[in-house]
Amino acid sequence: GAVVSQHPSWVICKSGTSVKIECRSLDFQATTMFWYRQFPKQSLMLMATSNEGSKATYEQGVEKDKFLINHASLTLSTLTVTSAHPEDSSFYICSAPWGGLSSYNSPLHFGNGTRLTVT
Amino acid sequence: GENVEQHPSTLSVQEGDSAVIKCTYSDSASNYFPWYKQELGKRPQLIIDIRSNVGEKKDQRIAVTLNKTAKHFSLHITETQPEDSAVYFCAATDSWGKFQFGAGTQVVVTP
Repeated sequence: GAVVSQHPSWVICKSGTSVKIECRSLDFQATTMFWYRQFPKQSLMLMATSNEGSKATYEQGVEKDKFLINHASLTLSTLTVTSAHPEDSSFYICSAPWGGLSSYNSPLHFGNGTRLTVT
Repeated sequence: GENVEQHPSTLSVQEGDSAVIKCTYSDSASNYFPWYKQELGKRPQLIIDIRSNVGEKKDQRIAVTLNKTAKHFSLHITETQPEDSAVYFCAATDSWGKFQFGAGTQVVVTP
């Protein structure tokens, strides 16, 4: 069964509004979670690393003020796309290292993903 | 940082034949190499992985080989079946523990 739960699975919003996506680790605590974005027929691009109790670290080119990440507990990370625009339409997927271990040498488990469409 | 290259981008095989996907990486410190299968609109699913202290690993019809000296690793699928059709991604963890994914390979198995 799923070890990482992500909601919502799809969302349609109007340009200029904000959307929040939740990612929960089930049955284990995740001090670190990763947020990816995937455009059609492309690879998974890491956006940011969510760290419980501290600020997220963002990959180069990802606007931290646009993609707000909060990792308020050991089982929940949220990604908020602020002032969304059509170019933000994509598939957003969160992930956590298996069993809450360091990601350096253990598998990532992915959420089901969120299909965001901005009109 | 880590750079992972994956080939081919598309692969068509007849049912029952073998499929091979190859990846190279750049960071010599990388020591964990997973392979994920992603069906359309779904989450990537781990199918097999290998760590740097192992040269080969097999799980039924799927095998992965790793050559640390040459910095490349490969996925082998034998006796392919239509349900093997999907996009396959290789990945390597960089020095920070972050996964870098290859561009993906669309595998199509024709009956």
